Amino acid sequence: RKEVEQDPGPFNVPEGATVAFNCTYSNSASQSFFWYRQDCRKEPKLLMSVYSSGNEDGRFTAQLNRASQYISLLIRDSKLSDSATYLCVVNNDKIIFGKGTRLHILP
Amino acid sequence: DTAVSQTPKYLVTQMGNDKSIKCEQNLGHDTMYWYKQDSKKFLKIMFSYNNKELIINETVPNRFSPKSPDKAHLNLHINSLELGDSAVYFCASSQTGGRQPQHFGDGTRLSIL
Repeated sequence: RKEVEQDPGPFNVPEGATVAFNCTYSNSASQSFFWYRQDCRKEPKLLMSVYSSGNEDGRFTAQLNRASQYISLLIRDSKLSDSATYLCVVNNDKIIFGKGTRLHILP
Repeated sequence: DTAVSQTPKYLVTQMGNDKSIKCEQNLGHDTMYWYKQDSKKFLKIMFSYNNKELIINETVPNRFSPKSPDKAHLNLHINSLELGDSAVYFCASSQTGGRQPQHFGDGTRLSIL
């Protein structure tokens, strides 16, 4: 099993729809988790941290499932500007980025 | 205010040359990183420094040598550049090691001719 694994996509989703994707990790001792977004030819930018209790920021909800060792990102009411690659990051004293999930929001 | 800045933004050079990329952060963070993102878009950590000390050194050719003169700066020197070094190199910083989120510079696009 890869250390951090994401479905590369692309996910082609109509504007206004809800989309969710997961990221699985192999090391059960992993301690902190993040979602970043990366636009084409730009740097990764922090979208949100992922807490055990789950967290929500506007249209975005992140959840952690330690038992099944995955984190998830839910985007509601998707906008054209949400089109990007979404990277999950897992830290267990070693920082590992997933390869990213590409999301295309269609008008 | 630029939080993490790296220079140059673009670097085009010939195989065999030696080049440096500079990075500075004004966030007061104590940890800085270098990442390489290749043509397949996979972002991989190369080095991490905490308070000027090397704490992560992934499997990277020894042609790559990071230098941290102080905790706000982490430069990357590359000797004898090879075609496979073509990539985007990102500098990042965070507070108190890797449990805090990282802030990235906008990347240096290195092309080897």
